[in-house]
Amino acid sequence: RKEVEQDPGPFNVPEGATVAFNCTYSNSASQSFFWYRQDCRKEPKLLMSVYSSGNEDGRFTAQLNRASQYISLLIRDSKLSDSATYLCVVNGGTSGTYKYIFGTGTRLKVLA
Amino acid sequence: DTEVTQTPKHLVMGMTNKKSLKCEQHMGHRAMYWYKQKAKKPPELMFVYSYEKLSINESVPSRFSPECPNSSLLNLHLHALQPEDSALYLCASSRLGTGELFFGEGSRLTVL
Repeated sequence: RKEVEQDPGPFNVPEGATVAFNCTYSNSASQSFFWYRQDCRKEPKLLMSVYSSGNEDGRFTAQLNRASQYISLLIRDSKLSDSATYLCVVNGGTSGTYKYIFGTGTRLKVLA
Repeated sequence: DTEVTQTPKHLVMGMTNKKSLKCEQHMGHRAMYWYKQKAKKPPELMFVYSYEKLSINESVPSRFSPECPNSSLLNLHLHALQPEDSALYLCASSRLGTGELFFGEGSRLTVL
C-alpha cells in the first residue's frame, strides 16, 4: 500500500461546479498535512495547510480526519484557472523527520 | 516570486559530463531538500539536509552527490548520469521538519 494515495483523475468539471478530492495516508503518526497545487511544468506551490479543526480559504476548504486517516479538499465555484494537479502532502512521522511524502496527485480540468 | 532560487533553469549534458545544480534560500530555513520529478509523476525525495548535515539519503545512486556549503546554499553535483536521469530537479526548504515546504522553480535536466 502506498503511504499517501490519491485518485489520479482526471476530474473534468464545468465552470462553477463544486469538486472534492480525497487523500488517504497510512502512517498514523503523521503530523502535518498540506495541499499543494502544481501547474504543468511548474513547481508545486502551497495551496493550504490542513488543520485538525478544518480550515477554509475563500473557495477552498480542507478537512482532516485522523481517525480514518484521510484529508480532503473541496473547491467551490470552480474557475478555469483552477485547472492544475493537486498534490496531497503528508509529513511522514514524528517531529523533525523532515520526510514529506507526496501523493500521486489529482488532475483537475475545469471546462468552459 | 519564489524565495528559493535554483540555477540553471535548464541543463543539457552528456553522460560523461560533470555539472552542478545550485539552490539558494535566504529565509533562514534550516532544512533543505532535493526532489526529482518525472513527467506526470509526483516529486520523489532524494536528499534532506538539516542544520547543514545530510539527514536523509533515499538510496540515491552515487552519480548524484549533494553538498550543503552553508545554511543558505545547497548543491547537487552530477557525474556520469544516464538518460533516465532526465527530469525536473526541485530544491525546497522549510523552517523545521514539519512546516510548509517552499520550492524553487526547478532545474530541468536533459541527459543525452
